[in-house]
Amino acid sequence: QVQLVESGGGVVQPGRSLRLSCAAPGFIFSDSAMHWVRQAPGKGLEWVAIISYDGSNKYYADSVKGRFTISRDNANKMLYLQMNSLRTEDTAVYYCARDRTQGHKWNLSFDYWGQGALVIVSS
Amino acid sequence: ERVMTQSPATLSVSPGESATLSCRASQSIASNLAWYQQKPGQAPRLLIYDASTRATGIPARFSGSGSGTEFTLTISSLQSEDFAVYYCQQYNNWPPLTFGGGTKVEIK
Repeated sequence: QVQLVESGGGVVQPGRSLRLSCAAPGFIFSDSAMHWVRQAPGKGLEWVAIISYDGSNKYYADSVKGRFTISRDNANKMLYLQMNSLRTEDTAVYYCARDRTQGHKWNLSFDYWGQGALVIVSS
Repeated sequence: ERVMTQSPATLSVSPGESATLSCRASQSIASNLAWYQQKPGQAPRLLIYDASTRATGIPARFSGSGSGTEFTLTISSLQSEDFAVYYCQQYNNWPPLTFGGGTKVEIK
Protein backbone atom coordinates (compact mmCIF):
# COMPACT_ATOMS: atom_id res chain seq x y z
CA GLN A 1 0.00 0.00 0.00
CA VAL A 2 1.61 3.24 -1.17
CA GLN A 3 1.61 5.85 1.58
CA LEU A 4 2.99 9.36 1.64
CA VAL A 5 2.89 11.22 4.94
CA GLU A 6 4.02 14.85 5.14
CA SER A 7 5.09 16.63 8.31
CA GLY A 8 6.80 19.83 9.35
CA GLY A 9 4.21 22.41 8.38
CA GLY A 10 3.33 25.35 10.57
CA VAL A 11 3.31 29.11 10.93
CA VAL A 12 6.53 30.96 10.15
CA GLN A 13 7.48 34.61 9.76
CA PRO A 14 8.51 36.04 6.39
CA GLY A 15 12.22 35.57 5.75
CA ARG A 16 12.50 32.53 8.01
CA SER A 17 13.04 28.87 7.10
CA LEU A 18 11.08 25.65 7.40
CA ARG A 19 11.75 22.05 6.39
CA LEU A 20 9.02 19.72 5.24
CA SER A 21 9.41 15.94 5.39
CA CYS A 22 7.56 13.19 3.60
CA ALA A 23 7.72 9.59 4.79
CA ALA A 24 7.18 7.05 2.03
CA PRO A 25 6.61 3.51 3.29
CA GLY A 26 4.81 0.87 1.28
CA PHE A 27 6.72 0.96 -2.00
CA ILE A 28 10.27 0.83 -3.32
CA PHE A 29 11.03 4.49 -2.70
CA SER A 30 14.42 4.37 -4.41
CA ASP A 31 12.78 3.42 -7.72
CA SER A 32 10.67 6.57 -8.04
CA ALA A 33 11.24 10.22 -8.78
CA MET A 34 9.38 12.43 -6.34
CA HIS A 35 7.75 15.87 -6.45
CA TRP A 36 6.48 18.65 -4.26
CA VAL A 37 3.28 20.35 -5.41
CA ARG A 38 1.57 23.17 -3.53
CA GLN A 39 -1.89 24.70 -3.36
CA ALA A 40 -2.53 28.16 -1.96
CA PRO A 41 -5.78 28.50 0.02
CA GLY A 42 -8.75 28.36 -2.35
CA LYS A 43 -6.47 28.22 -5.40
CA GLY A 44 -5.26 25.68 -7.93
CA LEU A 45 -2.24 23.40 -8.01
CA GLU A 46 1.32 24.60 -8.56
CA TRP A 47 4.27 22.30 -9.18
CA VAL A 48 7.26 23.16 -6.99
CA ALA A 49 10.11 20.70 -7.55
CA ILE A 50 11.19 17.24 -8.70
CA ILE A 51 14.05 14.98 -7.66
CA SER A 52 15.16 11.93 -9.59
CA TYR A 53 15.07 8.44 -8.11
CA ASP A 54 18.71 8.63 -7.02
CA GLY A 55 18.81 12.32 -6.12
CA SER A 56 21.19 13.22 -8.94
CA ASN A 57 18.81 15.52 -10.81
CA LYS A 58 16.60 18.26 -9.43
CA TYR A 59 14.43 20.93 -11.05
CA TYR A 60 12.45 23.78 -9.57
CA ALA A 61 9.68 26.20 -10.41
CA ASP A 62 11.03 29.71 -11.01
CA SER A 63 8.97 30.97 -8.07
CA VAL A 64 11.07 28.95 -5.59
CA LYS A 65 14.41 28.57 -7.39
CA GLY A 66 17.31 29.63 -5.20
CA ARG A 67 15.17 29.55 -2.04
CA PHE A 68 13.87 25.95 -1.84
CA THR A 69 15.90 22.72 -1.96
CA ILE A 70 14.48 19.27 -2.57
CA SER A 71 16.39 16.26 -1.27
CA ARG A 72 15.86 12.62 -0.41
CA ASP A 73 17.20 9.84 1.83
CA ASN A 74 16.54 6.56 0.09
CA ALA A 75 17.83 4.45 2.97
CA ASN A 76 15.15 5.87 5.22
CA LYS A 77 12.49 6.40 2.54
CA MET A 78 12.24 10.12 3.18
CA LEU A 79 11.70 13.15 0.94
CA TYR A 80 12.46 16.69 2.09
CA LEU A 81 11.80 20.27 1.09
CA GLN A 82 14.02 22.89 2.71
CA MET A 83 12.32 26.26 2.36
CA ASN A 84 14.40 29.38 3.03
CA SER A 85 13.62 33.09 2.73
CA LEU A 86 9.92 32.35 2.95
CA ARG A 87 7.43 34.86 1.58
CA THR A 88 3.76 35.40 2.30
CA GLU A 89 2.99 34.08 -1.19
CA ASP A 90 4.50 30.71 -0.19
CA THR A 91 1.50 30.12 2.08
CA ALA A 92 -0.05 26.87 0.85
CA VAL A 93 -0.71 23.22 1.46
CA TYR A 94 2.38 21.35 0.30
CA TYR A 95 1.88 17.88 -1.11
CA CYS A 96 4.56 15.31 -1.75
CA ALA A 97 3.67 13.25 -4.78
CA ARG A 98 5.14 10.17 -6.38
CA ASP A 99 6.11 10.36 -10.01
CA ARG A 100 4.70 7.70 -12.30
CA THR A 101 8.27 6.57 -12.87
CA GLN A 102 8.92 3.58 -15.06
CA GLY A 103 12.29 1.87 -15.12
CA HIS A 104 13.94 4.79 -13.26
CA LYS A 105 12.76 7.13 -16.02
CA TRP A 106 10.48 9.84 -14.77
CA ASN A 107 7.08 10.22 -16.35
CA LEU A 108 6.15 13.60 -14.89
CA SER A 109 2.59 12.85 -13.80
CA PHE A 110 1.71 12.09 -10.19
CA ASP A 111 0.21 8.75 -9.26
CA TYR A 112 0.11 9.01 -5.45
CA TRP A 113 -0.19 12.05 -3.20
CA GLY A 114 0.22 12.65 0.50
CA GLN A 115 -2.45 14.36 2.59
CA GLY A 116 -0.55 17.65 2.56
CA ALA A 117 1.22 19.91 5.07
CA LEU A 118 -0.03 23.45 5.64
CA VAL A 119 2.57 26.20 5.65
CA ILE A 120 1.47 29.68 6.69
CA VAL A 121 3.92 32.53 6.22
CA SER A 122 2.77 35.49 8.25
CA SER A 123 4.13 38.12 10.56
CA GLU B 1 5.89 27.87 -20.26
CA ARG B 2 2.86 25.93 -21.45
CA VAL B 3 -0.30 27.64 -20.20
CA MET B 4 -3.22 25.30 -19.60
CA THR B 5 -6.76 26.72 -19.77
CA GLN B 6 -9.75 24.77 -18.49
CA SER B 7 -13.38 25.42 -19.28
CA PRO B 8 -15.91 25.91 -17.99
CA ALA B 9 -14.86 27.06 -14.53
CA THR B 10 -18.02 25.52 -13.07
CA LEU B 11 -20.26 22.84 -14.54
CA SER B 12 -23.68 22.09 -13.05
CA VAL B 13 -24.82 18.55 -13.77
CA SER B 14 -27.60 16.31 -12.48
CA PRO B 15 -26.67 12.87 -11.12
CA GLY B 16 -26.87 10.26 -13.87
CA GLU B 17 -26.07 12.77 -16.62
CA SER B 18 -22.73 13.06 -18.36
CA ALA B 19 -20.18 15.86 -18.05
CA THR B 20 -17.65 17.09 -20.59
CA LEU B 21 -14.67 19.09 -19.34
CA SER B 22 -12.22 20.86 -21.64
CA CYS B 23 -8.53 21.64 -21.34
CA ARG B 24 -6.56 23.67 -23.86
CA ALA B 25 -2.79 24.03 -24.09
CA SER B 26 -1.14 27.25 -25.31
CA GLN B 27 1.04 25.16 -27.65
CA SER B 28 1.08 21.52 -28.63
CA ILE B 29 1.78 19.05 -25.86
CA ALA B 30 1.26 15.89 -27.95
CA SER B 31 -0.57 13.46 -25.63
CA ASN B 32 1.38 14.35 -22.50
CA LEU B 33 -1.61 15.27 -20.39
CA ALA B 34 -3.03 14.01 -17.10
CA TRP B 35 -6.33 14.61 -15.33
CA TYR B 36 -6.80 14.71 -11.55
CA GLN B 37 -9.84 14.80 -9.30
CA GLN B 38 -9.80 16.69 -6.01
CA LYS B 39 -12.51 16.63 -3.37
CA PRO B 40 -12.68 19.22 -0.57
CA GLY B 41 -10.03 18.67 2.07
CA GLN B 42 -8.40 15.86 0.12
CA ALA B 43 -5.34 15.43 -2.02
CA PRO B 44 -5.74 15.17 -5.78
CA ARG B 45 -6.16 11.71 -7.32
CA LEU B 46 -4.81 10.67 -10.70
CA LEU B 47 -7.59 9.74 -13.12
CA ILE B 48 -6.07 9.75 -16.61
CA TYR B 49 -2.54 9.94 -18.01
CA ASP B 50 -1.17 10.10 -21.54
CA ALA B 51 -4.43 11.88 -22.41
CA SER B 52 -6.57 8.74 -22.53
CA THR B 53 -5.21 5.97 -20.27
CA ARG B 54 -7.15 5.39 -17.07
CA ALA B 55 -5.06 5.10 -13.92
CA THR B 56 -5.28 2.01 -11.74
CA GLY B 57 -8.69 1.57 -10.13
CA ILE B 58 -10.41 4.38 -12.01
CA PRO B 59 -13.94 3.48 -13.16
CA ALA B 60 -14.67 3.16 -16.86
CA ARG B 61 -17.15 6.07 -16.73
CA PHE B 62 -14.09 8.37 -16.80
CA SER B 63 -12.59 8.76 -20.25
CA GLY B 64 -10.04 11.13 -21.74
CA SER B 65 -9.40 12.15 -25.31
CA GLY B 66 -7.49 14.63 -27.41
CA SER B 67 -3.97 15.46 -28.51
CA GLY B 68 -2.01 18.52 -29.50
CA THR B 69 -3.75 21.46 -27.85
CA GLU B 70 -7.33 20.29 -27.22
CA PHE B 71 -8.29 17.72 -24.60
CA THR B 72 -11.50 16.46 -23.06
CA LEU B 73 -12.42 14.57 -19.92
CA THR B 74 -15.82 12.92 -20.09
CA ILE B 75 -17.62 11.54 -17.08
CA SER B 76 -20.58 9.44 -18.10
CA SER B 77 -23.51 8.87 -15.75
CA LEU B 78 -22.24 11.05 -12.90
CA GLN B 79 -22.31 9.48 -9.45
CA SER B 80 -22.56 11.43 -6.19
CA GLU B 81 -18.87 10.81 -5.49
CA ASP B 82 -17.87 12.45 -8.80
CA PHE B 83 -18.80 15.96 -7.74
CA ALA B 84 -15.38 17.55 -7.26
CA VAL B 85 -12.80 19.81 -8.88
CA TYR B 86 -10.92 18.46 -11.88
CA TYR B 87 -7.47 19.61 -13.01
CA CYS B 88 -5.53 18.92 -16.16
CA GLN B 89 -1.70 18.92 -16.15
CA GLN B 90 0.80 18.92 -18.99
CA TYR B 91 4.17 17.19 -18.89
CA ASN B 92 5.40 17.71 -22.43
CA ASN B 93 7.43 20.90 -21.97
CA TRP B 94 9.03 21.53 -18.63
CA PRO B 95 10.14 22.85 -16.27
CA PRO B 96 7.71 23.93 -15.16
CA LEU B 97 5.06 21.25 -15.08
CA THR B 98 1.81 23.18 -15.32
CA PHE B 99 -1.80 22.70 -14.32
CA GLY B 100 -5.02 24.19 -15.57
CA GLY B 101 -7.07 26.35 -13.25
CA GLY B 102 -9.60 23.60 -12.59
CA THR B 103 -13.26 22.87 -13.35
CA LYS B 104 -15.68 22.44 -10.49
CA VAL B 105 -18.40 19.89 -11.20
CA GLU B 106 -21.35 20.65 -8.97
CA ILE B 107 -24.77 19.16 -8.45
CA LYS B 108 -27.49 20.82 -10.48
